[in-house]
Amino acid sequence: GENVEQHPSTLSVQEGDSAVIKCTYSDSASNYFPWYKQELGKGPQLIIDIRSNVGEKKDQRIAVTLNKTAKHFSLHITETQPEDSAVYFCAASSERSSTLGRLYFGRGTQLTVWP
Amino acid sequence: KAGVTQTPRYLIKTRGQQVTLSCSPISGHRSVSWYQQTPGQGLQFLFEYFSETQRNKGNFPGRFSGRQFSNSRSEMNVSTLELGDSALYLCASSFGQTGELFFGEGSRLTVL
Repeated sequence: GENVEQHPSTLSVQEGDSAVIKCTYSDSASNYFPWYKQELGKGPQLIIDIRSNVGEKKDQRIAVTLNKTAKHFSLHITETQPEDSAVYFCAASSERSSTLGRLYFGRGTQLTVWP
Repeated sequence: KAGVTQTPRYLIKTRGQQVTLSCSPISGHRSVSWYQQTPGQGLQFLFEYFSETQRNKGNFPGRFSGRQFSNSRSEMNVSTLELGDSALYLCASSFGQTGELFFGEGSRLTVL
């Protein structure tokens, strides 16, 4: 099955700085790559996603890039704010009917933004 | 629009007991997936239901089972609980045609 690795496991930045989280995947059939933010005591919240026919996607301060050849994708958060502090998970899946609903998650990155 | 609702939010059981967790998906969503989250193993896929049929299953023992009703609501059951079953159980719903999943807040199970 798919194997998703995520780095770093912890990341501390000063408010206003940028944060970058990187993930790699193993299955070339994977074509959907979402990112989730999980705050303490809550479920994961989908913040952005990208499909393999796109190399980059941006939503305000958040952007995701995908390199299919190297099988890696990254989350970029600019102008970080204290409320960005949370655990971030990358995930990968193949949007085939036999695998829908099954995401392979990375181990998560604890992001702390210091004021 | 209401999100994914999971009940109960917290529960404590003892080894050997069984537990049933409930999930109400976002209105209009026909797919429900279940995940187990632990500090040691991270987020692991249990199973996915679409239109009352199990469409996909993860690598968990048969003690873990689920079902989906005609209104898309889903339940999962864990029988003969073990200490290692202590976890946050997350339910996610989707329309069922793409990979986009929307998670609930989870049910935190503690097995003593």
